[in-house]
Formats: sequence, C-alpha cells, structure tokens
Amino acid sequence: DVVLTQTPPTLSATIGQSVSISCRSSQSLLHSNGNTYLNWLLQRPGQPPQLLIYLVSRLESGVPNRFSGSGSGTDFTLKISGVEAEDLGVYYCVQSTHAPYTFGAGTKLELK
Amino acid sequence: EVQLQESGPGLVKPSQSLSLTCSVTGYSITSNYWGWIRKFPGNKMEWMGYISYSGSTSYNPSLKSRISITRDTSKNQFFLQLNSVTTEDTATYYCARYSRGAGWFAYWGQGTLVTVSS
Repeated sequence: DVVLTQTPPTLSATIGQSVSISCRSSQSLLHSNGNTYLNWLLQRPGQPPQLLIYLVSRLESGVPNRFSGSGSGTDFTLKISGVEAEDLGVYYCVQSTHAPYTFGAGTKLELK
Repeated sequence: EVQLQESGPGLVKPSQSLSLTCSVTGYSITSNYWGWIRKFPGNKMEWMGYISYSGSTSYNPSLKSRISITRDTSKNQFFLQLNSVTTEDTATYYCARYSRGAGWFAYWGQGTLVTVSS
C-alpha cells in the first residue's frame, strides 16, 4: 500500500498567518493516464471531511482561494495564505492513484 | 443536490456483524461510484471500498473477506456489512459519492459512530 507521511502532526497558528502542510508519498502518485490523484481534505469538529483540493492543485467549488496545493510525484504541499478561524480542524492528504486508497495521518490546525 | 445519510446500530458485539445503510437522495446510485470510509478514534482514516453504478465492487484488501457492499436500486440505498467485528472496528463510518472530475469522494454523509463492545 502507498504510505503518505504528513507533517507536522499539529500546527499552531494565529489568525492571518500563512501555514503549510507537507505530504510525502512512498511511491509516485502519477497515474498512467497522466493525472496525479492527490487530494486534500479538511474535517472540522463534528463535520464530515470536506474536499478542499483535488488533482494536486485544483480548488473544489466553493473553497476559498486562500487554500492552494502544489507538488508532483511524491512531494506535495497544502498552503493556507492567511488562516481564518473557520479553517481550524484536521487536514488530511489522501491518494486515489493506487488502490487501496490511503490517507495521511492528519494535521491538526489549532489557534495559537 | 446529492445527500447521503448513514443509518444502523450504534453498538455491535464482538464477533457479530456490523450492518449499515446509506440512503441517497438527489442522485441515482445507478450512476457513479459509492463508497464507505471510516475514521477511527484519533485521526486515522481508512477507505473500505466502493460499489459502482453497475454493481461491481472494490474492497480494501486489509478487510480481506470480512466486507461486503451491496445495493438496492429500487430504494436508492447501498449497504455495508462487516463480519466478525472486533473492538478495533470501533469507528465513525461514512458513506460517500465519488466525483469523476476530482477522482475522489467529494460528497459525504454526516457519519455514524459504531462501537464494538460486549
């Protein structure tokens, strides 16, 4: 199975601060069809996970553009440019290139 | 707008079977792919499997022969059965709909907590 190593496990930020989360894969996530199926989810307390970014860098409809994704192959990054209070929760990277689909361990974003 | 809702027992005894229903409104389950994902106490998430628009299935090998996903197209519902459960199957279970454009499950139910305990 593909192992996704997500860091840091916890992130403390002030409102307005920019932060980044790293996700490294144990093997390339480039699919034979040319797509890279690396996605980012946010789970707010008491809510189901919400898709933020898919295909590495594409913003899901309705997601604020302070969220951005980048990377290729095995190294990926989620950046939040100016944290807002509604951004608090647990972030996950998840790959759907190789079955079985696998998740990172999560990064909890807290207010400092 | 598609909506998904999980239902089923919140408490299951060890060695018994866990059975959950996902009721879908606003979209036919004869289109697209429909999956089950669970979140364990703590943050760990696991993709369990899916059933396709045609009724074919794909499962996480970690669940071996314990898992079965089926559907009732007349009720627009799909189901999860997990056999021989242990306390390690205690989790919040989510049903979800795949998004072809995203290549991932973009629409989720609210989730249902299942506790395995005697």
